[in-house]
Amino acid sequence: NAGVTQTPKFQVLKTGQSMTLQCAQDMNHNSMYWYRQDPGMGLRLIYYSASEGTTDKGEVPNGYNVSRLNKREFSLRLESAAPSQTSVYFCASSDAGPTQYFGPGTRLTVL
Amino acid sequence: RKEVEQDPGPFNVPEGATVAFNCTYSNSASQSFFWYRQDCRKEPKLLMSVYSSGNEDGRFTAQLNRASQYISLLIRDSKLSDSATYLCVVNRNQKTSYDKVIFGPGTSLSVIP
Repeated sequence: NAGVTQTPKFQVLKTGQSMTLQCAQDMNHNSMYWYRQDPGMGLRLIYYSASEGTTDKGEVPNGYNVSRLNKREFSLRLESAAPSQTSVYFCASSDAGPTQYFGPGTRLTVL
Repeated sequence: RKEVEQDPGPFNVPEGATVAFNCTYSNSASQSFFWYRQDCRKEPKLLMSVYSSGNEDGRFTAQLNRASQYISLLIRDSKLSDSATYLCVVNRNQKTSYDKVIFGPGTSLSVIP
């Protein structure tokens, strides 16, 4: 089992560029999440998907869109990147309980 | 005020020392509590759950004080490999886990030879 995988691991964008972060899990979990982590701020929820076909906004959704492509995959899109979106992005999944399993993260820099 | 607060540290302790972290939460409706560990430039991983009666896992002891709304993590006989950031996690509702899991900012621990 690979668990939760994310691509890419690193990315540098220029302001205004777009990109999609990919996430996949092989644990047959229903719920998936996208977080960003900034120094001193902790993990902040961007979007989550309680089950295939549903998505909802988290604490900091502005500037992002998501797609739950199927049960395994949950992608995060930045339509027009801004320097404030420089962060480490983590995807996570969970089953029925609150324990979450995280991917290795994507380090994004927006110049 | 943040919903989950932790002393960011860093805590620098010698090998073999005992170290304790506290975490406070503001929402009295919080139902379940956890400690996650995050190594440098890695993803967070569940360390242990925190039960009302307190629980122990080897050198790690977690305790919950609902009246004062704080949880603690005690590490005995610290090892170099314990160096990491420890995240306090609070779940407001046991039945729906989606947007109710709140992560604290983390406490950094460095164990020194």
